[in-house]
Order: sequence, then structure tokens, then C-alpha cells
Amino acid sequence: DGGITQSPKYLFRKEGQNVTLSCEQNLNHDAMYWYRQDPGQGLRLIYYSQIVNDFQKGDIAEGYSVSREKKESFPLTVTSAQKNPTAFYLCASSSGQGGYGYTFGSGTRLTVV
Amino acid sequence: SQQGEEDPQALSIQEGENATMNCSYKTSINNLQWYRQNSGRGLVHLILIRSNEREKHSGRLRVTLDTSKKSSSLLITASRAADTASYFCATDAFGGGNKLTFGTGTQLKVEL
Repeated sequence: DGGITQSPKYLFRKEGQNVTLSCEQNLNHDAMYWYRQDPGQGLRLIYYSQIVNDFQKGDIAEGYSVSREKKESFPLTVTSAQKNPTAFYLCASSSGQGGYGYTFGSGTRLTVV
Repeated sequence: SQQGEEDPQALSIQEGENATMNCSYKTSINNLQWYRQNSGRGLVHLILIRSNEREKHSGRLRVTLDTSKKSSSLLITASRAADTASYFCATDAFGGGNKLTFGTGTQLKVEL
């Protein structure tokens, strides 16, 4: 089945640590996205990539980094510079062409301990 | 930034009733999309309406778009307990490069 897989489902981070969230898709989609969702809130865009080896900052990129070395993969690193990283992180992909919806992963819940 | 604002923030209805939620946005768009999110899960795409369309149907869903008022509404007819979820509108802004900006969401509860 085609889909988008995020791992792990739950992640705990100590203060000062970097952690990496995985996002893999087998939909042959060109574009991939990372969003952050805080309790009771909408989604805010962190980074997006419309093609391999290229990515752009979203609205809240500070304290995060990404790479897009393969079409299927778009990992997100939450660095120690992100002061309030506790949130639900959602990865999505799309064909990259206008007029199509996104396919979302099931999310990673990150908690700072 | 959050382009869309949904109204109401929360809605509670009885099974079999219709549920209407509204979305307002700020800039010109290519299209507007509605998504559903069950608690603690990812979002699921429900329906997309293009800027040159006024109404669209999909099963029990009906979406309208008024670009002059920069607003959209989602109607779920004959609601079921399984429709209980949060619903988000998302806009693909004109010239925005196919990245979606999401609203704040409406929490729908359908009671038996």
C-alpha cells in the first residue's frame, strides 16, 4: 500500500539534545512538508521541499533543520536551539502540482523531559 | 501565520443532524481544502474546491466557496458518531507554491 510513514510515534528528548524525526513516503510524490501542531491549535509550517536536494523555510523554521537527499525521505531534526519543542509533528507529501491534496503521516509526539 | 479561521471553534450535535462549519481566509487563493483529524492522528484530505468553483459535493459533504467574501463552508449531512473529529480548512495561496496554510480548526462532537 502506498503511504507515508512517520517514526517514532512517541519521542522523549532531554534538554539540550538534538533529535531526528523520520518521514518516508512511497507515493512517488515530489513535495514533502513538515508541520507542527500545538494542543488545540492548527498546523504551522516548519519546512518544505518541492524537489530532491532543495528545501525552503516555512513560518517557524528556527531551531529546526531538514535534508532531502532522497525523494522518499524528508527527516526533521529538532535542535537544542528550539526552546519549546514539545508538540505533535506531522509530515505530509503531495504531487507538488497545484490542485491536489496532501497525504499525511500519523505524526510523532515529541516531549521534552 | 494562519491564513484561515474556523467558526465555530467547537460544535456539538446529535446523530442525524447536519453540521456546518465555516472558514475565513485573508489572501487570494488557488484552491481551498478541508481536512479531518481524529484525536492524536494525522490529517485526512476530504475535499478540494478550486477558486473558480462555487460548490462541490462528495458523499455527505458539501463545500461552498465565496471568493468575494474570502470564506468557505463545510456541511456534513446526516452526521454520525464516527464523524466526531476536528476539521480544518487549508488554503493554497495564489503564488504561494502549493504549500498549504491551515486554519485553527473546528472540533465536532456527534452524540448518539
